[in-house]
Amino acid sequence: EVQLLESGGGLVQSGGSLRLSCAASGFTFSSDWMHWVRQAPGKGLVWVARINIDGSRTNYADPVKGRFTISRDNAKNTLYLQVNSLGAEDTAVYYCTRGVTGAFDYWGRGTLVTVSS
Amino acid sequence: EIVLTQSPATLSLSPGERATLSCRASQSVSNFLAWYQQKPGQAPRLLIYDASNRATGIPARFSGSGSGTDFTLTISSLEPEDFAIYYCQQGSNWYTFGQGTKLEIK
Repeated sequence: EVQLLESGGGLVQSGGSLRLSCAASGFTFSSDWMHWVRQAPGKGLVWVARINIDGSRTNYADPVKGRFTISRDNAKNTLYLQVNSLGAEDTAVYYCTRGVTGAFDYWGRGTLVTVSS
Repeated sequence: EIVLTQSPATLSLSPGERATLSCRASQSVSNFLAWYQQKPGQAPRLLIYDASNRATGIPARFSGSGSGTDFTLTISSLEPEDFAIYYCQQGSNWYTFGQGTKLEIK
């Protein structure tokens, strides 16, 4: 059974940083592109970042470029998202998800990041 | 950025009825269109990918159609567990989601 389990969210002050993690199991993690998608409270879904199978290629949505860094450790089956210079607009549930032909087939339960001013 | 516009914003139907949800793209996305279901407090669940392919474990009452800029998700006969928010998403030019259609019980 495919499982994705995010952690690392919490309450952080504006300008602060967090490192989100996503532990993967039930599939060959090192063979799949991985993504982060976020959802602000009561709002829709927004793609954040993606990483290729060996971590050599990464891409980001414009609002997070230069502030967020996606990475992975295939030996630990874990995906990461380092989030820096956080602002109120970054308050959201962050989902780890597996990419497949332009869609996202498996999702974690998410981790909530709340940025306070 | 490709903008996806979903309609209607809210759809009120009864169990057993047929639901038709629409998604229009601001430019062609070929068939790189997916549909998700999200219930309160839960992660999205992939229903349809590549416009018309059901994801693993998705019941046959869910079907997708369309290509280019106009897409439809059809639920042939609503079950009580189908009432949720539905999002479309394109993967042709990066990734964007529609704003969602809330399917509520009438």
